[in-house]
Amino acid sequence: ETGVTQSPTHLIKTRGQQVTLRCSSQSGHNTVSWYQQALGQGPQFIFQYYREEENGRGNFPPRFSGLQFPNYSSELNVNALELDDSALYLCASSSPGLNSPLHFGNGTRLTVT
Amino acid sequence: KQEVTQIPAALSVPEGENLVLNCSFTDSAIYNLQWFRQDPGKGLTSLLLIQSSQREQTSGRLNASLDKSSGRSTLYIAASQPGDSATYLCAVTYNQGGKLIFGQGTELSVKP
Repeated sequence: ETGVTQSPTHLIKTRGQQVTLRCSSQSGHNTVSWYQQALGQGPQFIFQYYREEENGRGNFPPRFSGLQFPNYSSELNVNALELDDSALYLCASSSPGLNSPLHFGNGTRLTVT
Repeated sequence: KQEVTQIPAALSVPEGENLVLNCSFTDSAIYNLQWFRQDPGKGLTSLLLIQSSQREQTSGRLNASLDKSSGRSTLYIAASQPGDSATYLCAVTYNQGGKLIFGQGTELSVKP
């Protein structure tokens, strides 16, 4: 069983640029969620995708957007990067059914300079 | 506002000690609660998931309890080992498949 994989592992961008982060969900999982984790903080929910549709969104501005593909992989796009966007971005997938736990990838460390 | 708080923020113990990590949540109408482990710069590993109807879950040396009415959960680690050193996060969700709301974590250091 392949776990959740994210790419790239590290990324450095300049303020104002755009970035795309990628996530391959665990086999059999049709729900993908994205979280932002600032240093020393708990992860904050960005949004969730279920069967290619956004299915819930946290308190993040519209410049954070996403996609889910037919194979359930996902992308997180951030436009007009700001210094405060520097964080670890975590992708998590889960299977349908009651109380299925989330399985997280190792994240993408984004640094905005 | 739905919030999760973890106490203490950091904990250092000698190897072999039993320890308890605490988690509290403001809205007791949770759907389930999950404990995670995070190693530095890594993703989260799910340790235990407690459904709202359950009182506790056990896995090896780990035991998590849930008291919904008081809005509290504890993670008990028996006979701690240096390999247990990591940040432990608790998170709640309020509906099936819904977003997780995380605490800030407890950074645990187990000294040999």
